[in-house]
Amino acid sequence: DGGITQSPKYLFRKEGQNVTLSCEQNLNHDAMYWYRQDPGQGLRLIYYSQIVNDFQKGDIAEGYSVSREKKESFPLTVTSAQKNPTAFYLCASRLGGLSNQPQHFGDGTRLSIL
Amino acid sequence: GNSVTQMEGPVTLSEEAFLTINCTYTATGYPSLFWYVQYPGEGLQLLLKATKADDKGSNKGFEATYRKETTSFHLEKGSVQVSDSAVYFCALSEAGNTDKLIFGTGTRLQVFP
Repeated sequence: DGGITQSPKYLFRKEGQNVTLSCEQNLNHDAMYWYRQDPGQGLRLIYYSQIVNDFQKGDIAEGYSVSREKKESFPLTVTSAQKNPTAFYLCASRLGGLSNQPQHFGDGTRLSIL
Repeated sequence: GNSVTQMEGPVTLSEEAFLTINCTYTATGYPSLFWYVQYPGEGLQLLLKATKADDKGSNKGFEATYRKETTSFHLEKGSVQVSDSAVYFCALSEAGNTDKLIFGTGTRLQVFP
């Protein structure tokens, strides 16, 4: 079945440590996105990529980095510069082109501080 | 800028009650509109969508009609079940902009037997 796979499901970070969240899709979608969700809040866009080897900052990019070396993969690194990283992280992808295409989401990674 | 406003939750209903979750938007042009549902500990699932004025999206007994004159996209269901308990997000995709979805803050629905 086609879909979006995020791993790991749970992740713990120590102070001063960088951690990387994985996102893989086999939907042949062009665009991929990373969102952060805090308890009781909506989704906030961190980074997005419409094409391989290109990506743009979203609304809350500080303390995060991404790469898009392959169409299928869009890993997110939470760096030590992100002082409040505890949140639920969601990856999404979209076919691209017309704006009426919906985004499809993975099951998320929950990041906590040790 | 473009924005989406949802009614605050939680919305608490008994099983088989009628559901309405209000959603209004502010946007230039003609956005596409979406409802997503999030079950505990999971990602978001697309529930329904509408891409132009007067379109009605429907799925699993849920419906929403794209009302340009009132800039609204309210979610309705005639008879809710306990299994419908989740958080519901309204979102818009800006016309001509393929980059982003703009989400509302979500509305938690709790259905009791």
